[in-house]
Amino acid sequence: DAGITQSPRHKVTETGTPVTLRCHQTENHRYMYWYRQDPGHGLRLIHYSYGVKDTDKGEVSDGYSVSRSKTEDFLLTLESATSSQTSVYFCAIGPGTGSTDTQYFGPGTRLTVL
Amino acid sequence: KQEVTQIPAALSVPEGENLVLNCSFTDSAIYNLQWFRQDPGKGLTSLLLIQSSQREQTSGRLNASLDKSSGRSTLYIAASQPGDSATYLCAVRRVNTGFQKLVFGTGTRLLVSP
Repeated sequence: DAGITQSPRHKVTETGTPVTLRCHQTENHRYMYWYRQDPGHGLRLIHYSYGVKDTDKGEVSDGYSVSRSKTEDFLLTLESATSSQTSVYFCAIGPGTGSTDTQYFGPGTRLTVL
Repeated sequence: KQEVTQIPAALSVPEGENLVLNCSFTDSAIYNLQWFRQDPGKGLTSLLLIQSSQREQTSGRLNASLDKSSGRSTLYIAASQPGDSATYLCAVRRVNTGFQKLVFGTGTRLLVSP
């Protein structure tokens, strides 16, 4: 398995509080991704990173920010959590844009916003 | 906008049966298509990746086919086993993206009974 961990694995928080999720990799992959998974929607891309301090938005980026200060760490922050952000969050990593490259996924973080 | 649909949403079969999972996509301009497996409470694992120029890929008891012109892919599982029980997702990668932007289907939840 690709060396990718997420923390915390579970979190319950209240509306309006800030929340930070961490993704850590030991594979030295260039690309890192944050997805959310909701019933009926599949996985949707929130943000991605193509290098240290290089990030860009995905299709559902509103209410989220990210940072990548080191190759191995990619942080997802909910500045002020809302109930609509209750979801399972997955981090993924990938070596690049080669045609046979896949993405390797972390185990996920289940976030509940009350 | 690319949309990916998987039918059925859930499938229950007895052990030993051969089965087919379906994936359809609306934009035939894809770079590749992947099938992933997701076990409960865990991340996704890539099973098969088919390039847009290929018609099928095989791995053990799994065979994935791709018909770009009709916007369809199928995942064939031969001689199903209880260990195959999981959710199966397909994802398409769009053409000419600078990173691996994947569009996921909502998945088919498979239960194989002993």
